Amino acid sequence: GQQVMQIPQYQHVQEGEDFTTYCNSSTTLSNIQWYKQRPGGHPVFLIQLVKSGEVKKQKRLTFQFGEAKKNSSLHITATQTTDVGTYFCAGRGGTASKLTFGTGTRLQVTL
Amino acid sequence: EPEVTQTPSHQVTQMGQEVILRCVPISNHLYFYWYRQILGQKVEFLVSFYNNEISEKSEIFDDQFSVERPDGSNFTLKIRSTKLEDSAMYFCASSASGTGANVLTFGAGSRLTVL
Repeated sequence: GQQVMQIPQYQHVQEGEDFTTYCNSSTTLSNIQWYKQRPGGHPVFLIQLVKSGEVKKQKRLTFQFGEAKKNSSLHITATQTTDVGTYFCAGRGGTASKLTFGTGTRLQVTL
Repeated sequence: EPEVTQTPSHQVTQMGQEVILRCVPISNHLYFYWYRQILGQKVEFLVSFYNNEISEKSEIFDDQFSVERPDGSNFTLKIRSTKLEDSAMYFCASSASGTGANVLTFGAGSRLTVL
C-alpha cells in the first residue's frame, strides 16, 4: 500500500533558526496537504498543493510539491516558539478517497 | 468557525468490553472519517463513510470495528471487544467533498485506554 515517510523524525532548534521537513511518498500523489498538530491537540489543516512543482507561502512557511508529485517539503523561516508541534504531510494517490498521513516531524523550539 | 465535536474526551475500559465513540461532524459536510493515533506515532486511517455506507477502510478496520450514522447528526465508531492494542487517540474528521481536493476538519479526539 501507499507509504508516506517524513524526515527528520524530530528536530530541536533555537528560536530564530530555520526548519525544514521533507515528505516522500512511495506512489504518485494527486495532491499533498500539510497539517500541524500541537502537543496534546488534533491535526489542523495548513495548506494544499495540487500542481507539479507548485510553491506556496504562508507568512514564514514555504511549501513545495515536487515535479514528480511524489515528494514535498515545508520550510519555516526564523522559527518561533509558537511553531512547536508535529507537522504531517498527507497525500491521496489516484482516485483513492483516503488521505494517508506521513510519519510526521516533531519540531521543538527553545529560546 | 464550525467544529467537529467528539465524545467522550477520554474513556477507560476493560479488555473485551464494547466501546462506542461519538462524533458530530460539521453540519453541511457529507464525508466522514475515523483516524487513530497511537501515542507519539502517526495518524492512521481507519475508515471513510459517505451516503450511509463505508466508502473505504484500512486493514486495521477489521470485524471488531463498525461505524454508523444513527441520525442526521451523529457518526459513531464501535469497537465490539476491545484489545490492549486498541488503546489510542481516535479522531473523527469530516469534509465537504470526497474528491482529491477535499480538506479534513478534525475533532479534538477521544482517548481510549484499554486495561
